[in-house]
Amino acid sequence: AQKITQTQPGMFVQEKEAVTLDCTYDTSDPSYGLFWYKQPSSGEMIFLIYQGSYDQQNATEGRYSLNFQKARKSANLVISASQLGDSAMYFCAIFTGTASKLTFGTGTRLQVTL
Amino acid sequence: DTGVSQNPRHKITKRGQNVTFRCDPISEHNRLYWYRQTLGQGPEFLTYFQNEAQLEKSRLLSDRFSAERPKGSFSTLEIQRTEQGDSAMYLCASSTYRRASGGTDTQYFGPGTRLTVL
Repeated sequence: AQKITQTQPGMFVQEKEAVTLDCTYDTSDPSYGLFWYKQPSSGEMIFLIYQGSYDQQNATEGRYSLNFQKARKSANLVISASQLGDSAMYFCAIFTGTASKLTFGTGTRLQVTL
Repeated sequence: DTGVSQNPRHKITKRGQNVTFRCDPISEHNRLYWYRQTLGQGPEFLTYFQNEAQLEKSRLLSDRFSAERPKGSFSTLEIQRTEQGDSAMYLCASSTYRRASGGTDTQYFGPGTRLTVL
């Protein structure tokens, strides 16, 4: 079985600062993908970034980067230069070929302040 | 707009009634997923289709729930004899599954259908 743990229920960050959202995972499958999604108050899940278990380099997408530490089973999301529009719930998720579904964590609510 | 669409966006029903939700995936995607999200939780997997075949169902999907994807395009999720515990956000996602890429799967979500059972 797969498991995602997000230990930060809420985080605050000032506008233009960087913030790290923590995610640890557990799986016995050697091949897996790690995902981060953003969920604004409207409810839609917005795909942000993906990291494959065999990828050698950390993934980056614009202001988002994924700090992937395989030995520690962590996949933290780094948001640089935070904006007010970044205020939302953020979910980490894992996909494995054997499970064929996303397993999500409980999420972190990020609040960006002036 | 070529994203995933879901209808209706909101549904209020009385306990015991049947409801049906529709999901239209991104047109070239071969996989379609249904998830349920309750307040304060992450989405939980319900079922998924590859083309028209339903390949897996969660234990969360009781006998009152049924999903179809008759022509491998849109999908419907029906809940019969709704209960108050069915109140949740129902999310649909689609993807293009590629076994060659390590079997991983970037799923794109629709806006969801929020169900309230009174």
